[in-house]
Amino acid sequence: DTAVSQTPKYLVTQMGNDKSIKCEQNLGHDTMYWYKQDSKKFLKIMFSYNNKELIINETVPNRFSPKSPDKAHLNLHINSLELGDSAVYFCASSQDMSSSGANVLTFGAGSRLTVL
Amino acid sequence: GQNIDQPTEMTATEGAIVQINCTYQTSGFNGLFWYQQHAGEAPTFLSYNVLDGLEEKGRFSSFLSRSKGYSYLLLKELQMKDSASYLCACMDSNYQLIWGAGTKLIIKP
Repeated sequence: DTAVSQTPKYLVTQMGNDKSIKCEQNLGHDTMYWYKQDSKKFLKIMFSYNNKELIINETVPNRFSPKSPDKAHLNLHINSLELGDSAVYFCASSQDMSSSGANVLTFGAGSRLTVL
Repeated sequence: GQNIDQPTEMTATEGAIVQINCTYQTSGFNGLFWYQQHAGEAPTFLSYNVLDGLEEKGRFSSFLSRSKGYSYLLLKELQMKDSASYLCACMDSNYQLIWGAGTKLIIKP
């Protein structure tokens, strides 16, 4: 069983479209994340979310929104896609975001988004 | 501001030893992580240091000096499969991870 699974793995779409990437974790972790990795391989946090708190990176455009139906799922919705949104998006989870020793991240395999 | 610095790329020979350095400047400190990322794959956890000193785990060791804001990852008996990017990440006082850009390690036969 894959610990953190995200779909789709590849997504090619036109500018202006709206798309979603789904993420599920079966580790029983309390916290989930969305990261963006651009062509320079820099990992940038977009959102972190647990049952109590959503933390949004202030640099993330409001076209991006996380949706969490339950603590095992954190989906990413993107409205009005732009060329600069092309990147690999990684979902991740950790046991507890408030304790550094327990904050080992388990990543999904990534979703490569290409906006044409 | 918060910053993590690590070399962009390094090359080493199969069977040798390589040290990947990481320096950091963060608002507070709650530990330093190393992750390995093979091309086209997800990052995977390698090590965590919160106290000064060396942590050894098989062929990989990680060192931390908090007073110097410095860490290194030491890889011994290099194998071709060790070709990957190695990401240094520091946890600040708000338990937020600050990531370096990664060091691409190329192993040659």
